[in-house]
Amino acid sequence: KAGVTQTPRYLIKTRGQQVTLSCSPISGHRSVSWYQQTPGQGLQFLFEYFSETQRNKGNFPGRFSGRQFSNSRSEMNVSTLELGDSALYLCASRDGAGIGEQFFGPGTRLTVL
Amino acid sequence: DQQVKQNSPSLSVQEGRISILNCDYTNSMFDYFLWYKKYPAEGPTFLISISSIKDKNEDGRFTVFLNKSAKHLSLHIVPSQPGDSAVYFCAAVNNAGNMLTFGGGTRLMVKP
Repeated sequence: KAGVTQTPRYLIKTRGQQVTLSCSPISGHRSVSWYQQTPGQGLQFLFEYFSETQRNKGNFPGRFSGRQFSNSRSEMNVSTLELGDSALYLCASRDGAGIGEQFFGPGTRLTVL
Repeated sequence: DQQVKQNSPSLSVQEGRISILNCDYTNSMFDYFLWYKKYPAEGPTFLISISSIKDKNEDGRFTVFLNKSAKHLSLHIVPSQPGDSAVYFCAAVNNAGNMLTFGGGTRLMVKP
């Protein structure tokens, strides 16, 4: 099976712009979660989607949003970018049934100038 | 409030010796724990997990121990190899299972 894929891998934006990141989960996985990794805050949970519905949300402002499509692919959007949004954004998938390990993609490195 | 803590930001070990990485948690609702390994510019790779109904889980060179009363878990790597050099994160999941809470990570350096 192919792993989790994320596009693009690298992105440079300027303050005030908006950005959309994409994630394709492992085939058959219905749950997709997003995480932000920064040097200061570590790995923090953004939100999780399961069967096109947001099932859980972390403590991030409303500028961060996401969605999931019927094929389980997910997108994450950040509007009105701030310098502090520079981070590695990681997507993880799992089959969604019960507790189990999440499998991570390589991440998208976002730099906000 | 950090619910999962890895108090050692770094650890250096000689090749062939044992590496012990520690993790503490505060939330009693956590009942599943995982260890991930991360190289720079890559996503975390799952290593090993343990359910709260167990106190030990072993997979090859990796063993995770869980002490529920102390809210403490540890990852043992025996023998350590230079390729094990990476950042190791412990993570915890509550019984809903849909959100990982990560510790801050421990950078392991295995010297040849």
